[in-house]
Amino acid sequence: GAVVSQHPSWVICKSGTSVKIECRSLDFQATTMFWYRQFPKQSLMLMATSNEGSKATYEQGVEKDKFLINHASLTLSTLTVTSAHPEDSSFYICSASKRETQYFGPGTRLLVL
Amino acid sequence: QQQVKQSPQSLIVQKGGISIINCAYENTAFDYFPWYQQFPGKGPALLIAIRPDVSEKKEGRFTISFNKSAKQFSLHIMDSQPGDSATYFCAASSNTGKLIFGQGTTLQVKP
Repeated sequence: GAVVSQHPSWVICKSGTSVKIECRSLDFQATTMFWYRQFPKQSLMLMATSNEGSKATYEQGVEKDKFLINHASLTLSTLTVTSAHPEDSSFYICSASKRETQYFGPGTRLLVL
Repeated sequence: QQQVKQSPQSLIVQKGGISIINCAYENTAFDYFPWYQQFPGKGPALLIAIRPDVSEKKEGRFTISFNKSAKQFSLHIMDSQPGDSATYFCAASSNTGKLIFGQGTTLQVKP
């Protein structure tokens, strides 16, 4: 199998606080993980590519100081939304690569009040 | 050139019918074409994938047809069931590993 988990599944926070989302590949090692954002009824938007042991590569328009990504091991990547604001409210999804295939986590719904 | 265009945006099919979703791409460097199924509030799940060296791949009720010269590929869902009602995304990737997603198709299978 190729199972990817995310934690938490949903989070509500106050404006100005930081939120950390974890992404784990449970039964395989992933050199590369990806972070996506998805708005209602829209496709997935790639935010950044995370490689184990190196700095993440961010897509154009994504603020790297706002969305901090750490890929500390071959099974764990974290996304920290710093100083969250209501416009950061979204569905965040990670994926982990096993050869050419990306396996997705269940997603984390973030609501910033 | 990096886009993957998907159609239709929405699709309604009767139970037992065939659902067909189409995608087109421009970038000839794409060499891997997966399809994902997503239920509301969940992450996408891999359905089936194909490489351009084959023209068709079948897994159960799901078939991908691939036309390399036309740069098009499609998903066929045979004997569609209400449980297939979901959003379907086609995607394409090259050696960068990044997936370029289509816009998505919302499928509703009526009982």
